[in-house]
Amino acid sequence: AQSVTQLDSHVSVSEGTPVLLRCNYSSSYSPSLFWYVQHPNKGLQLLLKYTSAATLVKGINGFEAEFKKSETSFHLTKPSAHMSDAAEYFCVVSEGVNYGGSQGNLIFGKGTKLSVKP
Amino acid sequence: DGGITQSPKYLFRKEGQNVTLSCEQNLNHDAMYWYRQDPGQGLRLIYYSQIVNDFQKGDIAEGYSVSREKKESFPLTVTSAQKNPTAFYLCASSQDSFAGEQYFGPGTRLTVT
Repeated sequence: AQSVTQLDSHVSVSEGTPVLLRCNYSSSYSPSLFWYVQHPNKGLQLLLKYTSAATLVKGINGFEAEFKKSETSFHLTKPSAHMSDAAEYFCVVSEGVNYGGSQGNLIFGKGTKLSVKP
Repeated sequence: DGGITQSPKYLFRKEGQNVTLSCEQNLNHDAMYWYRQDPGQGLRLIYYSQIVNDFQKGDIAEGYSVSREKKESFPLTVTSAQKNPTAFYLCASSQDSFAGEQYFGPGTRLTVT
């Protein structure tokens, strides 16, 4: 079965400093991986996705993530945090098309809350 | 403007009452999903539908029911059998069930007292 582990439940950075949100996954198949962002009391917005093309994936708002198969990781980074980046971030893996009956369903990590200090 | 709408944003009910949450999409997506979100737990799948008139249970379907009579609509009913219904409910859709990428509505916060 596929699973996702977000290694930090809360990360705090100062504005202008780098952001690193860590994610490890387990998968029996070639996974698709995603990062979503959620601002308070809002829906989720897709930041970026990996679908077996380039291992370094660029997303919106200056975020990027690197797929490392040997480490089963998909960490999210941003060179310089902005106050508007404060939100909750979810690492997500998509079940492979041959996996059971829930094809294409997403498995969510528990989330990492990012705080940005002025 | 394409997207997913959920209404209402906040909903309050007394224990023992059934309540229906609305989800509508105009993205022409085939697949639709309902998730429940609790603090610190991520999102958990309640039901999903790959095509009209068909739906499957997710990981936590007990106490919930859905229908998919139209492509653009996927309402969720929280029944009195749901033991702990207070939560944030998110609806999503995708081009098809293999696409991976899902688009989310703004959510409905249900409080049952």
